[in-house]
Amino acid sequence: GAVVSQHPSRVICKSGTSVKIECRSLDFQATTMFWYRQFPKQSLMLMATSNEGSKATYEQGVEKDKFLINHASLTLSTLTVTSAHPEDSSFYICSASLAGTGANVLTFGAGSRLTVL
Amino acid sequence: GENVEQHPSTLSVQEGDSAVIKCTYSDSASNYFPWYKQELGKGPQLIIDIRSNVGEKKDQRIAVTLNKTAKHFSLHITETQPEDSAVYFCAASITGGGADGLTFGKGTHLIIQP
Repeated sequence: GAVVSQHPSRVICKSGTSVKIECRSLDFQATTMFWYRQFPKQSLMLMATSNEGSKATYEQGVEKDKFLINHASLTLSTLTVTSAHPEDSSFYICSASLAGTGANVLTFGAGSRLTVL
Repeated sequence: GENVEQHPSTLSVQEGDSAVIKCTYSDSASNYFPWYKQELGKGPQLIIDIRSNVGEKKDQRIAVTLNKTAKHFSLHITETQPEDSAVYFCAASITGGGADGLTFGKGTHLIIQP
């Protein structure tokens, strides 16, 4: 089945630094990838839709200059949290949609837990 | 936009009993309704999904029912086992999930009591 890999699974950084999270579709091409944020014991909140070769579409309230998304190929999307602050600490999850099948089933990565000190 | 309500937030059942989790959605244009199981520290895993042209779908011990008129859908787990303990999320999508992502419910923490 379709597999989505996220890296790193855990990252701790100092306030003010930037952190990059990678999302890869391992055995399929993904025209669209999604980035979600999840706070403890809460649901997943869609942050942005990442389309290969074009700019990401951000949800209302999500700062695009803070959460930089790049989808340079059909198998890789990256989320960069710039100038991270403690309030950015969260569980970030990506998902990918299998291109061209019409099935539109999303496969999720295992998530990346960011802790900003 | 779409709004998905999920109940209950916590559900505790005895091992072997059945569990039912219910969701309602607001946008009648939604046509794809997946259910995800999320274990602690992991990403959501799709366990079953249903599209708006079907009223019920079953896969071994799990089933999903959809009532388009009432705009609600439910997850049914029979003969529950300890490994069923997790957080379950329902979701809805207008475009089938692939184009515009999913709107999730707030989740149900299912606890299977031995």
